[in-house]
Amino acid sequence: RKEVEQDPGPFNVPEGATVAFNCTYSNSASQSFFWYRQDCRKEPKLLMSVYSSGNEDGRFTAQLNRASQYISLLIRDSKLSDSATYLCVVLKINQAGTALIFGKGTTLSVSS
Amino acid sequence: DTGVSQNPRHKITKRGQNVTFRCDPISEHNRLYWYRQTLGQGPEFLTYFQNEAQLEKSRLLSDRFSAERPKGSFSTLEIQRTEQGDSAMYLCASSFGPASGGANEQFFGPGTRLTVL
Repeated sequence: RKEVEQDPGPFNVPEGATVAFNCTYSNSASQSFFWYRQDCRKEPKLLMSVYSSGNEDGRFTAQLNRASQYISLLIRDSKLSDSATYLCVVLKINQAGTALIFGKGTTLSVSS
Repeated sequence: DTGVSQNPRHKITKRGQNVTFRCDPISEHNRLYWYRQTLGQGPEFLTYFQNEAQLEKSRLLSDRFSAERPKGSFSTLEIQRTEQGDSAMYLCASSFGPASGGANEQFFGPGTRLTVL
């Protein structure tokens, strides 16, 4: 089983739509979670961290369900500029240090 | 520009040749990471440095791969005897973190796209 699993999509939605992405992770000891955004042929950039209490940043809401080992990202009122790949990321920490474990990414295409 | 920089941005080589990539992290960042990304996949962790010490290497990093960070600043990733399966985007990231552990945001460079013919 992969450490981080996501539905690759693509999700094709019209402007203004609400879209939700889901992600599951396999290591129940994981503590830190993130959503990264990656535009075509560009590097990943941090979109938002995911906290147990859930967190919101404008049109974006991230939620974590530790019992189900499940992370979600909700985008409201989609914009054309939201078109990108959204990467679910889990931070692995061990004695040696840290590394980000990425899912395959979910592709979103917002059309007018 | 004070972000992470990588050179070259693109590299085309023939199978069997050696290639070397360079990463210059954000200047105050003590941690440096290398990832590899192939089409349709998320980035995969390769190796990690805290200052000049290479603390972790993924099983993906075969004997043909070597990474260094001699002065705790820039890093190089060398691939010897390249194979077609090495074709990928090689991403470098940096962050600042305490020696005791913990993690802060990793900032990625633009990557080096390697094509092995």
